[in-house]
Amino acid sequence: DAGVTQSPTHLIKTRGQQVTLRCSPISGHKSVSWYQQVLGQGPQFIFQYYEKEERGRGNFPDRFSARQFPNYSSELNVNALLLGDSALYLCASSLALVRNTEAFFGQGTRLTVV
Amino acid sequence: GIQVEQSPPDLILQEGANSTLRCNFSDSVNNLQWFHQNPWGQLINLFYIPSGTKQNGRLSATTVATERYSLLYISSSQTTDSGVYFCAVGDGNFNKFYFGSGTKLNVKP
Repeated sequence: DAGVTQSPTHLIKTRGQQVTLRCSPISGHKSVSWYQQVLGQGPQFIFQYYEKEERGRGNFPDRFSARQFPNYSSELNVNALLLGDSALYLCASSLALVRNTEAFFGQGTRLTVV
Repeated sequence: GIQVEQSPPDLILQEGANSTLRCNFSDSVNNLQWFHQNPWGQLINLFYIPSGTKQNGRLSATTVATERYSLLYISSSQTTDSGVYFCAVGDGNFNKFYFGSGTKLNVKP
């Protein structure tokens, strides 16, 4: 079975541009979460989606948005990119929304803003 | 949110040595996972362990939820164990994880 897949793996963008990152969860998983990991730190929670609805949002500006599609895949959009948005963006999928559910992460998208 | 502290921040071992990594958290949790981040950035699941003890080969983990800590044991370390180990805890009604800053392990041959 395929794990969590993210695309693209690497991306270079210019300040002010917009970027879309994609995530496909493990087959059968309905919950997708997004995390940002800057160099030297642990991942920080951005969003969680379940059944196409936003169920949680971290402390990130409105430039960050996401959505989940009927097939449970998800996109993370970042507008008006800043140098500080350079990071590894990780997607996690889990079977359900309830507590005590193991999460699995994709390989990440490494975004560089120049 | 929940504060997660991992110790030590850095650890250098000789191949074959044993080690213990610690994760302290500031509040009650209903989910706790240990991950190993490989050099390419992917978080590899080691243990899903909100409470109790589990073992998988040379690795084992124990979570004492009432005392708000978890331990990851690595025995007979190998160079392939090198990397960053993260503890992540979840709370509340959805799987929002709070991560520690990680323990960077370097196993030398």
